[in-house]
Amino acid sequence: GAGVSQSPSNKVTEKGKDVELRCDPISGHTALYWYRQRLGQGLEFLIYFQGNSAPDKSGLPSDRFSAERTGESVSTLTIQRTQQEDSAVYLCASRPREGAFGYTFGSGTRLTVV
Amino acid sequence: RKEVEQDPGPFNVPEGATVAFNCTYSNSASQSFFWYRQDCRKEPKLLMSVYSSGNEDGRFTAQLNRASQYISLLIRDSKLSDSATYLCVVNIGYGGATNKLIFGTGTLLAVQP
Repeated sequence: GAGVSQSPSNKVTEKGKDVELRCDPISGHTALYWYRQRLGQGLEFLIYFQGNSAPDKSGLPSDRFSAERTGESVSTLTIQRTQQEDSAVYLCASRPREGAFGYTFGSGTRLTVV
Repeated sequence: RKEVEQDPGPFNVPEGATVAFNCTYSNSASQSFFWYRQDCRKEPKLLMSVYSSGNEDGRFTAQLNRASQYISLLIRDSKLSDSATYLCVVNIGYGGATNKLIFGTGTLLAVQP
C-alpha cells in the first residue's frame, strides 16, 4: 500500500488479557519502529528493526512487551497480561533504508485496557 | 533530564503573527534533527529537517546550534491551519543497531482568528 498500515485501529481489552498489534510497513522500507504515546504525552521509543540485524529493544518497558518482524515485512507487537497503564496509542513507523530519514508513521492503534 | 526538552505551551497567537519554538537536547552525539507536526489524534508527520546552516521552507525557518545543543522553529504569518503540536525530534545514532528518533513532548500552537 501507499502508507504504513496498522491494525486494529482501536482495541479495548480487559486487564490481564494479551493483545497483538500489527504493522504493515511501506513495501521496501527496511527499518521499522514502534513507539507508544500516552494521552497528552510525547512519543516513547519501544523497539527498532533494521533488516536482518538484531533489533534494538532498549525501549520496551517490561518483559510483558515483545515484538517480532519477519524479514522486511509485517511486524507484530505483543503485550501480555495487559495493565491499565498500557493504555496508549501505539504507533509504527518505517523508513526506506539506512541513512534515509523519511520516517512515515501509521495512524496507530488506540489501546484501552479496562 | 529529558533527552529532548520543549516548552509545552500552549502558544496562543493571532493569525498573521510570528511565533518561535525552542528545543534543547542532551545527547551531544545526536546526528540529525527534525521538526514534526502532530494534529489532534493523528500521527506525527515530518515538517522539516534542520540543518546546521539553517534552512527555510516557505513560512517556516529552522535553526540548529550544535554548540548549545539548541534547535528552533520560526513560523511567520501564522495561519489557522498551523494550529497543531510541534515536536522537536533528534536522531540518536547512525547505522548499526541503534538508530532511533527521540521525540520531545511537543509545543501546542493555537492560532486564533
